[in-house]
Amino acid sequence: EVQLVESGGGLVQPAGSLRLSCAASGFTFSNYDMHWVRQVTGRGLEWVSAIGTAGDTYYPDSVKGRFTISRENAKNSLYLQMNSLRAGDTAVYYCVRDLGGQTDSWGQGTLVTVSS
Amino acid sequence: EIVLTQSPGTLSLSPGERATLSCRASQSVSSSYLAWYQQKPGQAPRLLIYGASSRATGIPDRFSGSGSGTDFTLTISRLEPEDFAVYYCQQYDGSPRTFGQGTKVEIK
Repeated sequence: EVQLVESGGGLVQPAGSLRLSCAASGFTFSNYDMHWVRQVTGRGLEWVSAIGTAGDTYYPDSVKGRFTISRENAKNSLYLQMNSLRAGDTAVYYCVRDLGGQTDSWGQGTLVTVSS
Repeated sequence: EIVLTQSPGTLSLSPGERATLSCRASQSVSSSYLAWYQQKPGQAPRLLIYGASSRATGIPDRFSGSGSGTDFTLTISRLEPEDFAVYYCQQYDGSPRTFGQGTKVEIK
């Protein structure tokens, strides 16, 4: 069974940093592209970043230069380093597996709150 | 950026009725790189449909997707009690990947 378990969320002050982790199990992690997707409470979904099997990375303009996605295949882990956080980054962050373009497996999410 | 607009915002229906949800793209989504997700309160989204019309593993056949280009539809043939939720479309043709704002299917 595919499992994705996020951790590292919490309360952080504006301009602060946070590192999210995602522990993957039940599949060969190194063979899959991975994503982070976020959701403001009660609102829609926003794609935050992606990383390919070769380590290539992709970001929307809203987080480019502030967020860094990375992976450690030996540990079946995905990371999201978030710097210069803003109130607008407050959301639940999901770790998501990519299967041929569509995202077929989602973790339960970790809440990030940016507030003073 | 491809903008996806879902309609209606809310659909009020009774169990057993047919639900038709629309997703319109601001530009053509090639190769039907369009997916639909279901989200229930307190849960992560679940993939229902990919490639505009292919059901994901374990998804009942009452869910079907259709469309191409800029107009896509998710149809639930007969609503079951567990189908009342929020539904999102997503395109994965262009970068950034974008989602629609969601359609809530509620019990009438």
